[in-house]
Amino acid sequence: DQQVKQNSPSLSVQEGRISILNCDYTNSMFDYFLWYKKYPAEGPTFLISISSIKDKNEDGRFTVFLNKSAKHLSLHIVPSQPGDSAVYFCAASNYGGSNYKLTFGKGTLLTVNP
Amino acid sequence: DAGVTQSPTHLIKTRGQHVTLRCSPISGHKSVSWYQQVLGQGPQFIFQYYEKEERGRGNFPDRFSARQFPNYSSELNVNALLLGDSALYLCASSYAPGRDKETQYFGPGTRLLVL
Repeated sequence: DQQVKQNSPSLSVQEGRISILNCDYTNSMFDYFLWYKKYPAEGPTFLISISSIKDKNEDGRFTVFLNKSAKHLSLHIVPSQPGDSAVYFCAASNYGGSNYKLTFGKGTLLTVNP
Repeated sequence: DAGVTQSPTHLIKTRGQHVTLRCSPISGHKSVSWYQQVLGQGPQFIFQYYEKEERGRGNFPDRFSARQFPNYSSELNVNALLLGDSALYLCASSYAPGRDKETQYFGPGTRLLVL
């Protein structure tokens, strides 16, 4: 039972345009959400996070939106750059639980074309 | 500042053997978590340790074990290796579990191949 789903295995955008990566979750106990970027042969790099008490969080070119009623979050990258090409993972956690484990989606491969 | 470090970077073993993977957290971080990532999947949670105690365990068989040392470094042990254990093993550190706005930072991983 996959609790965090990234339904788009890949996304291709032009440099300078907006990239929108989507993530859905099924566990209503999740209260903290994170996005990680992963290059080949490297570990995931933390990008941005959002608590369930918020619906938006911005950090430079990256903005995460959370729609709790739809159990959906998205990552917007504006403007997209070729260096953003990587696999993006959505992850979720339940801070109220007894441990802090991250539940990941399968990832979306973003390709930004020059 | 040094990030999370893991050793070795790559490892080849045969079925039935045992393997030990090592992780050093970011300085000041007291919690270490282990994840397994197989090709085409997101990382799967294996263990979390905090202050040398196990705080969480994922859905992995008893062949998987781990421990955390007084300096907060950690080892992941896998016994009786199976072909299906071939994966990237990731270590993540955080200051402590359950803190507000806690974030886990990942190391580069150890790529294990079981033949």
